[in-house]
Amino acid sequence: AQSVTQLGSHVSVSEGALVLLRCNYSSSVPPYLFWYVQYPNQGLQLLLKYTTGATLVKGINGFEAEFKKSETSFHLTKPSAHMSDAAEYFCAVLGGFQKLVFGTGTRLLVSP
Amino acid sequence: DTEVTQTPKHLVMGMTNKKSLKCEQHMGHRAMYWYKQKAKKPPELMFVYSYEKLSINESVPSRFSPECPNSSLLNLHLHALQPEDSALYLCASSQQTGTGANVLTFGAGSRLTVL
Repeated sequence: AQSVTQLGSHVSVSEGALVLLRCNYSSSVPPYLFWYVQYPNQGLQLLLKYTTGATLVKGINGFEAEFKKSETSFHLTKPSAHMSDAAEYFCAVLGGFQKLVFGTGTRLLVSP
Repeated sequence: DTEVTQTPKHLVMGMTNKKSLKCEQHMGHRAMYWYKQKAKKPPELMFVYSYEKLSINESVPSRFSPECPNSSLLNLHLHALQPEDSALYLCASSQQTGTGANVLTFGAGSRLTVL
């Protein structure tokens, strides 16, 4: 069964610093991978997705992620954090029966 | 229109009440979903409708009853809930299930409190 593991329930960065949120996947077939962001008291918004093709995926708000098959990873990065990036971030993989399987989430804290 | 609209945003109900959550999308999506999200947890799938037919029920208690009146609307009827059912209920839609990349568009959620 497909699954994702997010390392670190909380990540703290300073404004302007690099953001790195880690996600490792487990899948017996080529995975479809997603990053979603959830702001307080909001639903989830798609940041980016990997299906096939280019392994470096660019998303909204300056985020990108790189699919690395050899490391079974799909880490999310942003060169320079902004205060507005503070939110909960979920990595997800498309599982059996087209179900989206979420990781446990990483809360990003951005300090001035 | 690229939104999923959920009403109400907040709902407080007693354990003997009957209430409904509503979800609407006008993106032409043919798959609609209900998720339940407890505080500090990821969303958990409850139900999936594909072409207005229930295709997945994740062993959800019968006090939750979904309904899909047409391709744009999804309801979740609530009856005799328990306090542990208090959560954020998220609706989502996608073009259809069974495709290569099932990108879900989520609504803002309905926050339910059961007293």
